[in-house]
Amino acid sequence: KAGVTQTPRYLIKTRGQQVTLSCSPISGHRSVSWYQQTPGQGLQFLFEYFSETQRNKGNFPGRFSGRQFSNSRSEMNVSTLELGDSALYLCASREGGYYGYTFGSGTRLTVV
Amino acid sequence: QKEVEQNSGPLSVPEGAIASLNCTYSDRVSQSFFWYRQYSGKSPELIMSIYSNGDKEDGRFTAQLNKASQYVSLLIRDSQPSDSATYLCAVKEGGEERGSRLTFGEGTQLTVNP
Repeated sequence: KAGVTQTPRYLIKTRGQQVTLSCSPISGHRSVSWYQQTPGQGLQFLFEYFSETQRNKGNFPGRFSGRQFSNSRSEMNVSTLELGDSALYLCASREGGYYGYTFGSGTRLTVV
Repeated sequence: QKEVEQNSGPLSVPEGAIASLNCTYSDRVSQSFFWYRQYSGKSPELIMSIYSNGDKEDGRFTAQLNKASQYVSLLIRDSQPSDSATYLCAVKEGGEERGSRLTFGEGTQLTVNP
């Protein structure tokens, strides 16, 4: 099976702009989660989607949003970018139950 | 806020030694625990999962879980330089009906010296 695919790999944006990141989960995985990784805060949960519904949301401002499509692919959007949004954004998918989460390669976002 | 804490690093061991990584968690209802390995500049890679008290072995890796004491550990036997990475302890919170999330520790940086 192909792994979790995230696009783009790298992104440079200017403060105030918005950005959309994409994630294609492993085939058959219906749960998709997003995480932000920074040197200072580590890995932090953003949100989880299952069958096109957001089931869980982390403690991030409303500028961070996401969605999931009927084919389980997911996107996350960050509006009005701030310098502090510079991070590695990771998408993870899983089968459900006790199975672990498989992460994609991530999107490295730099806000200048 | 649920917490996951890992033993502070960095940890340095000689090649061939046993590396011991520890993690404690605060959420008593958590049922699933994972260890991820992350090489510099890469994404986390799942190396072990454990759900029941006791030991679980997979090759050179052994995960240990003690729910009463709320700790989970990872032992790496016959450590190799290629094991040098940051190891992340993750605890799954929530369930299938209402959604779940992973809460990560801050990670322990392991260096295996040849």
